[in-house]
This record gives sequence, C-alpha cells and structure tokens, in this order.
Amino acid sequence: NAGVTQTPKFRILKIGQSMTLQCAQDMNHNYMYWYRQDPGMGLKLIYYSVGAGITDKGEVPNGYNVSRSTTEDFPLRLELAAPSQTSVYFCASSYSTGGTDTQYFGPGTRLTVL
Amino acid sequence: DQQVKQNSPSLSVQEGRISILNCDYTNSMFDYFLWYKKYPAEGPTFLISISSIKDKNEDGRFTVFLNKSAKHLSLHIVPSQPGDSAVYFCAAINFGNEKLTFGTGTRLTIIP
Repeated sequence: NAGVTQTPKFRILKIGQSMTLQCAQDMNHNYMYWYRQDPGMGLKLIYYSVGAGITDKGEVPNGYNVSRSTTEDFPLRLELAAPSQTSVYFCASSYSTGGTDTQYFGPGTRLTVL
Repeated sequence: DQQVKQNSPSLSVQEGRISILNCDYTNSMFDYFLWYKKYPAEGPTFLISISSIKDKNEDGRFTVFLNKSAKHLSLHIVPSQPGDSAVYFCAAINFGNEKLTFGTGTRLTIIP
C-alpha cells in the first residue's frame, strides 16, 4: 500500500495563477481531508469529504475548491493564487470519522505564491 | 480563537529522561484527544489518543493523561530516545462535527 500520496512536493506560483494539488489514497478510506499548515501554527482544515460526491467546508475554505468523484482521489483547486496561500498542504484520509479512527497523512505539498 | 493550545513551542530533554509535553483546551465539548508526531518533510503520524471518559492511556513508552476539570492533557515519553525528536501536535475532536482541531505544536529535541 502506498497510503496517501500527494503531488507535487513543491510548487512556486505567481499571484493570480491557478493550480490543482493532487491527493490519492489506496486504503479504501471513506473520509478525506485537506489541511494547511502555516509556520508556527497548527494544521487548519480547509475542506473534507465523507465519501464520493460529498464535500464540506472546514475552517479556512476561502480561495479553494474541492471535488470527490472517486473514493481514491480528492484534488484541491486553488483559483487566483494569493501570497496568503503560501503554506504546506497536507491531505489525509480515514476509514470513518476522524476522531476515533486514525487519520493517515500524506507527505505534504509546499506551495509558495510570489 | 485557538481552542487547543500548546504553550511551549520547543522542549529539550536528555536521552533517557522523561519528556512531558503539555496541551490545554478551551472547548468543554471535546470528546476525544489525540497526539500526532511529525518529522521534517513528512506528514503527521498518529501516536496515541484518549477518550474524555478516561484520565490515562498508555502505549509502551507513551502515556497520555487527561485532566478534564483543568482542560489539560499531557504526553509523557519515558525513556526519551533520539528518534523521539520531532514536532508533536495535540488535537481534539467533538464527535458532533467530525473535525479535528490541532494545537500549534511543540518541537521536542532529545539530546544524546
């Protein structure tokens, strides 16, 4: 099992550009999450999904969009990138609710917006 | 509004000694608490958890203590080993909304 994979590992964007961060899991998990981690801060939830076709906003959804067309994939779309979106982005998945069921994290994507 | 707080950004401990990492929370509705460990350039990995109905949970060298009246939990690592050097995040969840709330992390350095 590869677990949770994320691509790319690093990316530099110019202000106003757009991109998609890819996330895939091969554990047949129902729940998937996107977090961002800013320097010296904890992880903040951007969006999450409880299954294919179902997504919901987290704590900091503005400037992002998600879709969940399959159980395996949960891409995060940035439209009109801004310097405030410079961060490390982590995707995670769990079989059921993220509390009692362990969330497995990908290695992260480091994004810089200049 | 930081509902989960880790007030010590860093901690250094001698190898073999006990490491104690602290976490405070403000939301009395949290039902479950977790600790995650993170190495550089990797995602966080689950370490240990505790339900709000318990006051202690142990797993090998790791023990988590929960004091609900003080809204405080701590992670004890004994004995500390060099491989324990990492950033530790405390997290909490209210089963009603299924979302983890993370603290800001404590960087633990074990000195050989």
